[in-house]
Amino acid sequence: QLQLQESGPGLVRPSETLYLTCAVSGGSVTSTTFYWAWIRQPPGKTLEWIGSKYFSGSIYYNPSLKSRVTIEADSSKNQVSLKLDYVTAADTAVYYCARDLFKGLFDSWGQGALVTVSS
Amino acid sequence: DVQVTQSPSSLSASVGDRVTITCQASQDISKYLNWYQQKPGKAPNLLIFDASTLETGVPSRFSGSGSGTDFTFTITTLQPEDVATYYCQQYDHLPPTFGEGTKVEI
Repeated sequence: QLQLQESGPGLVRPSETLYLTCAVSGGSVTSTTFYWAWIRQPPGKTLEWIGSKYFSGSIYYNPSLKSRVTIEADSSKNQVSLKLDYVTAADTAVYYCARDLFKGLFDSWGQGALVTVSS
Repeated sequence: DVQVTQSPSSLSASVGDRVTITCQASQDISKYLNWYQQKPGKAPNLLIFDASTLETGVPSRFSGSGSGTDFTFTITTLQPEDVATYYCQQYDHLPPTFGEGTKVEI
């Protein structure tokens, strides 16, 4: 059974870089069937898709975040990572990694990681 | 971006009631509309994809219908464990976008 586990710092200073990893077990990030996605949810608000990466190369980012986001997949560690540059308080959210069956069909989710941006 | 407007934003019902939530897209999204359930402090859980297909393992009291711009999600017989926030989400056009959610209480 697929399991996803996010990890990373819970507190990031404004203007710095947020970095999270998502450990994948029960499946492989090298699968040519799925994408791997990051989605976030600010406290009390709805969900926002950040981006999805296909291991073989295709990657799609939300245009609202594209200039600051990098999603990568590491086959040696079987994990997916998220890097978000120049964070502000508006980036405070629970960040989820998810399996993306096809550019937006998220069928399996990690438990989420709360990241607070504050000095 | 495609806007998805969900209503109502919250509702209160009794155990055994029929509950209906609607979702309207700002443009034609064919059948590419999903429904998720999110319980407090938990990740969303996919219930229905492609407007009406029940995800494996999801109870049959949950159902979905619609196409184009207008969609409906129904819980035929509300159970205590159904207390949650429900989100619709379109994926016909990038970026995928979510509705604002409907909080269901008993």
